[in-house]
Amino acid sequence: GNSVTQMEGPVTLSEEAFLTINCTYTATGYPSLFWYVQYPGEGLQLLLKATKADDKGSNKGFEATYRKETTSFHLEKGSVQVSDSAVYFCALSGATNKLIFGTGTLLAVQP
Amino acid sequence: KAGVTQTPRYLIKTRGQQVTLSCSPISGHRSVSWYQQTPGQGLQFLFEYFSETQRNKGNFPGRFSGRQFSNSRSEMNVSTLELGDSALYLCASSPIRGGTSDTQYFGPGTRLTVL
Repeated sequence: GNSVTQMEGPVTLSEEAFLTINCTYTATGYPSLFWYVQYPGEGLQLLLKATKADDKGSNKGFEATYRKETTSFHLEKGSVQVSDSAVYFCALSGATNKLIFGTGTLLAVQP
Repeated sequence: KAGVTQTPRYLIKTRGQQVTLSCSPISGHRSVSWYQQTPGQGLQFLFEYFSETQRNKGNFPGRFSGRQFSNSRSEMNVSTLELGDSALYLCASSPIRGGTSDTQYFGPGTRLTVL
């Protein structure tokens, strides 16, 4: 079945450092791919998405490119801020509109 | 446009009781999905409703049920609560059902604690 694997956390970075959170997927067909972010005590917020191969999703300085050849959707940001501290979830949806999530990666950014 | 709203935000119940959670989708969204989030199992899909019909169901026991009303609002019910049902229950809405590009927008969740 469909699945998502993302790198274990926590990831601890200093402010202005470069961020990469790895995400790979297994799916039949052509899923859509998403990154969601969860701040403490809150629900999930959509960060970015990509719906077909080679699409790049971007938002608030974050980027991820849908790579079908490597079945990956890695999240990157050039310069993280303390306010980016949160849990990040990679997810996919197939034909059924059901989201399958990775385990989440906790990001802690220190000033 | 108002986001997805969920009530109540926090709930404490005891084992054996039942509970009903409510979700109001974004105006115009007709699909509502429910997810359970726990530290051990992560985010798991419960079910999806569209036009008052359950279209997809996850791997949960029959104690978990839901429904959708004609105004797209949804409720989920858990009967005979167990300690393991303690979780954050998230509702998500999307504009249409079908296709692979429907984006789901999440509410703040209901934190259920079972004692």
